[in-house]
Amino acid sequence: NAGVMQNPRHLVRRRGQEARLRCSPMKGHSHVYWYRQLPEEGLKFMVYLQKENIIDESGMPKERFSAEFPKEGPSILRIQQVVRGDSAAYFCASSEEDRGPDTQYFGPGTRLTVL
Amino acid sequence: RKEVEQDPGPFNVPEGATVAFNCTYSNSASQSFFWYRQDCRKEPKLLMSVYSSGNEDGRFTAQLNRASQYISLLIRDSKLSDSATYLCVVVISGGYNKLIFGAGTRLAVHP
Repeated sequence: NAGVMQNPRHLVRRRGQEARLRCSPMKGHSHVYWYRQLPEEGLKFMVYLQKENIIDESGMPKERFSAEFPKEGPSILRIQQVVRGDSAAYFCASSEEDRGPDTQYFGPGTRLTVL
Repeated sequence: RKEVEQDPGPFNVPEGATVAFNCTYSNSASQSFFWYRQDCRKEPKLLMSVYSSGNEDGRFTAQLNRASQYISLLIRDSKLSDSATYLCVVVISGGYNKLIFGAGTRLAVHP
């Protein structure tokens, strides 16, 4: 059973371009969480999604960021018109149910660099 | 004030040493507590849960003091492989389990 998969692992964008980060949860998992880790900082919650629904996006910046988790396919975190401050590691985690934090399994992350 | 605060370190210790990390949290509604380990440029991995009664897993002991809103992690007989960043994590009660991470404490164990 493959773990949480994220791609690309590294992404380089120029200011003003769009970044699309993908997360495939573990098989059987229908809950996805996205976190962002800035250099020298801890992970910060961004958004929690279930299939086809955004449950909590309180950690998402109000502009340029969006997320989705369609019925088929991976969850997508989309950043429009990237700026240098968006450079960070973006981790997603998945769980089978929303039973407890220790059931959240993290993917390897996508490292976004904005030039 | 940050929701979860940790001493960033780094803690540089020799093999075999005992080292302790502290963490404080600001929200009294926090209901669950954890220590995660994060290796350089990798994803965080759950190390252990923290209970009011304290819990131990081999060389690792975690303690929780709800009155002081304080969490600790003790590592005995440090190994080179313990070198990593240790993240204190809390979950606020109510609703689903959104993880709130501290910035982490770096540990470097040297021969």
